[in-house]
Amino acid sequence: DSGVTQTPKHLITATGQRVTLRCSPRSGDLSVYWYQQSLDQGLQFLIQYYNGEERAKGNILERFSAQQFPDLHSELNLSSLELGDSALYFCASSDPLGYTFGSGTRLTVV
Amino acid sequence: GQNIDQPTEMTATEGAIVQINCTYQTSGFNGLFWYQQHAGEAPTFLSYNVLDGLEEKGRFSSFLSRSKGYSYLLLKELQMKDSASYLCAVRAAGNKLTFGGGTRVLVKP
Repeated sequence: DSGVTQTPKHLITATGQRVTLRCSPRSGDLSVYWYQQSLDQGLQFLIQYYNGEERAKGNILERFSAQQFPDLHSELNLSSLELGDSALYFCASSDPLGYTFGSGTRLTVV
Repeated sequence: GQNIDQPTEMTATEGAIVQINCTYQTSGFNGLFWYQQHAGEAPTFLSYNVLDGLEEKGRFSSFLSRSKGYSYLLLKELQMKDSASYLCAVRAAGNKLTFGGGTRVLVKP
């Protein structure tokens, strides 16, 4: 157990729908990073939050949004889903030695 | 922006050595990381270099040359369980990591 918790582990939904992915960072970590990994692709940075505020933004689609709550958990909202949004979505906490990743949410859009 | 390149795939024999190269271009370099990722699982930390030179950690070693924008991960005494993707990542300002596309290593008996 890395200490970074992601739910749900698997999600199957139809095109056009909206889903919410949840991440709880390690206890005491203020940062949350979200990444998308499509099949056989590298990790693409989506967005970073630090202590409730957006800190950095990557190639995140306008259909996607995120927020970090006062208890530091974060949610990634994906709307108007398309087949191409099927991917693994990881969140991570950071420390001086890099990142610790959650186990990911596998999203399948059908 | 940042640009990170690593080979897509490598094949090696059990017990052999494999070297995975990574080249990068970045501003505000603040460390280079290697992660191992088995299919469908989360990446796990392997090594970290911020100064030039070699870091050794058991069967795994990582090298960095900041002036050349170059790193490699060396896997020795390959085992079947080492079949995985190996991700090179560069940290710049703000702690954000940018990942290369990953190198899939296949270890054959």
